[in-house]
Amino acid sequence: KNQVEQSPQSLIILEGKNCTLQCNYTVSPFSNLRWYKQDTGRGPVSLTIMTFSENTKSNGRYTATLDADTKQSSLHITASQLSDSASYICVVSVVASGGSYIPTFGRGTSLIVHP
Amino acid sequence: EAGVAQSPRYKIIEKRQSVAFWCNPISGHATLYWYQQILGQGPKLLIQFQNNGVVDDSQLPKDRFSAERLKGVDSTLKIQPAKLEDSAVYLCASSSRARYEVGRVSGGANVLTFGAGSRLTVL
Repeated sequence: KNQVEQSPQSLIILEGKNCTLQCNYTVSPFSNLRWYKQDTGRGPVSLTIMTFSENTKSNGRYTATLDADTKQSSLHITASQLSDSASYICVVSVVASGGSYIPTFGRGTSLIVHP
Repeated sequence: EAGVAQSPRYKIIEKRQSVAFWCNPISGHATLYWYQQILGQGPKLLIQFQNNGVVDDSQLPKDRFSAERLKGVDSTLKIQPAKLEDSAVYLCASSSRARYEVGRVSGGANVLTFGAGSRLTVL
């Protein structure tokens, strides 16, 4: 069964500190992995996408890594800000016949940044 | 580019009543998804459409949930009759088709754009 496991389930850090969120998956055949940020009361928004050949990708203070051999990804947040408080969801996709993507969602990591 | 539109934003009903949610995806997006997100959990796929055909509805409780996407554009999700455990946010998302390049599938087309969600409370 295709699964996406995220850790930790929740995380509390002080403003300005760095943190790393983890995502392990068993989804196969792998097409791509995305990290989404979901603010309270809103739908998830894509932060970054990783394909099979990519190891690292940055988007501002967010850096995602992917190890396709061990099926692990991480999202590193540098110099955290209060606005980083949100749920971070790892989504791994396969491509179905007909060209549609079938994403599998992790349960998310809830990040709280304190002043 | 307009985003994914959903309505209503909030709905409160009593158990055994019915409710319907509406979604208008981004223009030109062939794939439409309905997700159920219970508080504190990640989104759970209910149904996925490719144009007006169903790709995956294996986790849709078909005895009470139904969804349609007539003409391959707008979609509605209906719950009848509602149960207490249906209290959740119902998210609609859309994405464009996969782009195939020589020797690989491009992941760039797979960004799911989500609507703000419809929060359902069943009393």
